[in-house]
Amino acid sequence: QVQLQESGPGLVKPSETLSLTCTVSGDFISSNKWWSWVRQPPGKGLEWIGEIFQSGRTNYNPSLKSRVTISIDKSKNQFSLRLTSVTAADTAVYYCAREGNQAYQLEPWGQGTLVTVSS
Amino acid sequence: EIVLTQSPGTLSLSPGERATLSCRAGQSVNSRYLAWYQQKPGQAPRLLIYDTSTRATGIPDRFSGSGSGTDFTLTISRLEPEDFAVYYCQQYGSSPPVYTFGQGTKLEIK
Repeated sequence: QVQLQESGPGLVKPSETLSLTCTVSGDFISSNKWWSWVRQPPGKGLEWIGEIFQSGRTNYNPSLKSRVTISIDKSKNQFSLRLTSVTAADTAVYYCAREGNQAYQLEPWGQGTLVTVSS
Repeated sequence: EIVLTQSPGTLSLSPGERATLSCRAGQSVNSRYLAWYQQKPGQAPRLLIYDTSTRATGIPDRFSGSGSGTDFTLTISRLEPEDFAVYYCQQYGSSPPVYTFGQGTKLEIK
């Protein structure tokens, strides 16, 4: 059973960098799947942030592209998210997820981690 | 980027009733790229339907998806108490590669 677990600071100051890691178990991050980050502001809908393939190739949401970096660490079976210059608008639950078995959908998902941007 | 608009925003029904949720795309969507998710409070989204109409593993057959082009529908034939949640449609755009979600439909108990 594939499981994903997000980890990282729950509080980040404005203008600083948000950093999260997703640890994968039950699957190899070097498998032929894309690995994504999705966020959800409190009480709002879902926003896809970006994805990475085992080769290191990435795709990002154009609306966040200038501030986002997603990286992969095959030795630790993890992938990570960096979001720079954060503001209160970046406060959200951040989920990591894997591309589904049939592609073009996301499954499974991690449980999510709340990141609050506040001084 | 394709915009997905879900309707209604909130749907109030009783257990045993039929629910019909709509997802309309701003331009034509490849049916292979259309999926539906269920999200309950405090939980991650759960994949229900992919390829427009294929149920994900373990999803009961009271859930069904249909549609093509710009209009897609999620139908729940007979609502169970555990079905009351928020539902999102999602499409994958290949140029550029990007996942887009609808704003969600909240299915609440009447």
